[in-house]
Amino acid sequence: GAVVSQHPSRVICKSGTSVKIECRSLDFQATTMFWYRQFPKQSLMLMATSNEGSKATYEQGVEKDKFLINHASLTLSTLTVTSAHPEDSSFYICSARAPVPGTVEAFFGQGTRLTVV
Amino acid sequence: QQQVKQSPQSLIVQKGGIPIINCAYENTAFDYFPWYQQFPGKGPALLIAIRPDVSEKKEGRFTISFNKSAKQFSLHIMDSQPGDSATYFCAGNTGNQFYFGTGTSLTVIP
Repeated sequence: GAVVSQHPSRVICKSGTSVKIECRSLDFQATTMFWYRQFPKQSLMLMATSNEGSKATYEQGVEKDKFLINHASLTLSTLTVTSAHPEDSSFYICSARAPVPGTVEAFFGQGTRLTVV
Repeated sequence: QQQVKQSPQSLIVQKGGIPIINCAYENTAFDYFPWYQQFPGKGPALLIAIRPDVSEKKEGRFTISFNKSAKQFSLHIMDSQPGDSATYFCAGNTGNQFYFGTGTSLTVIP
């Protein structure tokens, strides 16, 4: 299957700083990528849909000024958590749809564990 | 509103047993139903998926049973192994959106 790579896998940052998470589609071009947040023992919560060359679409309740998304190329989307606070500590996961005709499969990155201290 | 309801929340079976995880949905626009397997600290990985025009799909030890009229589908894991211990998520898809169930934590005891 298609490969989605996410980096870093773990990051610890100080409160008030910003952290950037990268999501790359390694063997296909993704016009759309998705960012999720997952709390311990809970399901994936869609934060935003990232569209190449245009503004991201944020889900209700997600602060777009806090969670900056950039999708500058067909293989890279980034999520920047600005002015991070301890409550932003979570597992962040990206996914992308592989443009294979007849399929709607979504492939996920390995996730990024963010800890804000 | 939870568009896909999943049960049980957790499940413990002996090695060789057949755990069954159930999901129910309301949105009749869903046209694709995948199951994902997630290990701690990792992203979800696609396990098996089904479309609503099929009542059953089998891939290796994993089987999806789909009941369109009841709007329910389930995952069966045959001859379960300790390595199957993970969290399993069902999902429904329409358009560009995936809606995930709340997850089932499966433990297979050796």
